[in-house]
Amino acid sequence: SQKIEQNSEALNIQEGKTATLTCNYTNYSPAYLQWYRQDPGRGPVFLLLIRENEKEKRKERLKVTFDTTLKQSLFHITASQPADSATYLCALRRVDSGYALNFGKGTSLLVTP
Amino acid sequence: DTGVSQDPRHKITKRGQNVTFRCDPISEHNRLYWYRQTLGQGPEFLTYFQNEAQLEKSRLLSDRFSAERPKGSFSTLEIQRTEQGDSAMYLCASSPSGQGASEAFFGQGTRLTVV
Repeated sequence: SQKIEQNSEALNIQEGKTATLTCNYTNYSPAYLQWYRQDPGRGPVFLLLIRENEKEKRKERLKVTFDTTLKQSLFHITASQPADSATYLCALRRVDSGYALNFGKGTSLLVTP
Repeated sequence: DTGVSQDPRHKITKRGQNVTFRCDPISEHNRLYWYRQTLGQGPEFLTYFQNEAQLEKSRLLSDRFSAERPKGSFSTLEIQRTEQGDSAMYLCASSPSGQGASEAFFGQGTRLTVV
């Protein structure tokens, strides 16, 4: 069955450092992968989409890599700020689906001053 | 605000009662999705509409669940004979049509508590 695995343990880092979150998947051959941010009690918010032919994508302080051989995506936040504290979700298109997504459990990030 | 709107934001109901949630997607989006999220988990797919057609349903969507999207605009999700295990956040999302990948825009969710 399709699985998406994200670090289950919360990631605590100091302000100004780079946060790196991992997403591993099995039994997928995704054409693209997405990352979302979710704050407590709110719906997820789209951050970045990376396609299979893209090794890396950047948006401001965010960087995503996508290694289809390793079946892994890394999500980096540089110069992290306390406002970056949230849960970050990795998502892949459901196999044989329209455009619905399967999500990982998410990784909670806490950035302390 | 032209984002995805969900109503109500919170619902407390007694076990065995029926509940109905509403989702108003972004107006130009013809794809609409329902997800369910429990504490510590990511959103789990429930069902997907393309315009008014319900094209996909998860096995999570038992016979007690039904979703509609009349006229391809707003959507409703009804849960009949609620059970405590139905307690969760119910999220609606929409996305534009067209080939290829696109981001999903989520509403704020409806938090259901079954007591």
